[in-house]
Amino acid sequence: GAGVSQTPSNKVTEKGKYVELRCDPISGHTALYWYRQSLGQGPEFLIYFQGTGAADDSGLPNDRFFAVRPEGSVSTLKIQRTERGDSAVYLCASSIHSAYNEQFFGPGTRLTVL
Amino acid sequence: GQQVMQIPQYQHVQEGEDFTTYCNSSTTLSNIQWYKQRPGGHPVFLIQLVKSGEVKKQKRLTFQFGEAKKNSSLHITATQTTDVGTYFCAGPFWETSGSRLTFGEGTQLTVNP
Repeated sequence: GAGVSQTPSNKVTEKGKYVELRCDPISGHTALYWYRQSLGQGPEFLIYFQGTGAADDSGLPNDRFFAVRPEGSVSTLKIQRTERGDSAVYLCASSIHSAYNEQFFGPGTRLTVL
Repeated sequence: GQQVMQIPQYQHVQEGEDFTTYCNSSTTLSNIQWYKQRPGGHPVFLIQLVKSGEVKKQKRLTFQFGEAKKNSSLHITATQTTDVGTYFCAGPFWETSGSRLTFGEGTQLTVNP
């Protein structure tokens, strides 16, 4: 079956602009995660959805970052007033229930803020 | 804060040599998961250990979970060029009740043919 997909694969934007990153998880997976990965680092947790609700958003770095999952499947990560420090690969993962289960990662979106 | 640490950060081996990476958590983990990320790729799940002292094998890979559920190791016997990549350990802490995985910094393995 289809894995986790993310679009776009690459996004280049200018400082101060707004961006949206999309994640389409594996069908039937109730848990969805967003991570940010910088070069040479492990994935850094941003937010966890259980169904439609953000069960844990404590990893979001500040209020410029927001994510939604309105129908419990596709999720969108939104970044306002982008800064150069936001440049990273944004990974989405889904699992069947929670972090106690195997996570399936998407290919990521590489965000570059000029 | 809660952290997961891995050593070494980098490891270069000749093909056929063994490789081990170690993972240590600041607090008790509910389970430990290992992921492999090939250069330019995304993390791919390898295995999950749940029980204290658990040992699991996958062909040339041996995974251990410490008795206190605060440390783990991955050992590869007779490395091959296909083993190249970064190996991450990750775990949910008891306190976060399964809401998140905290990843280590990873060990980047290169294998010289």
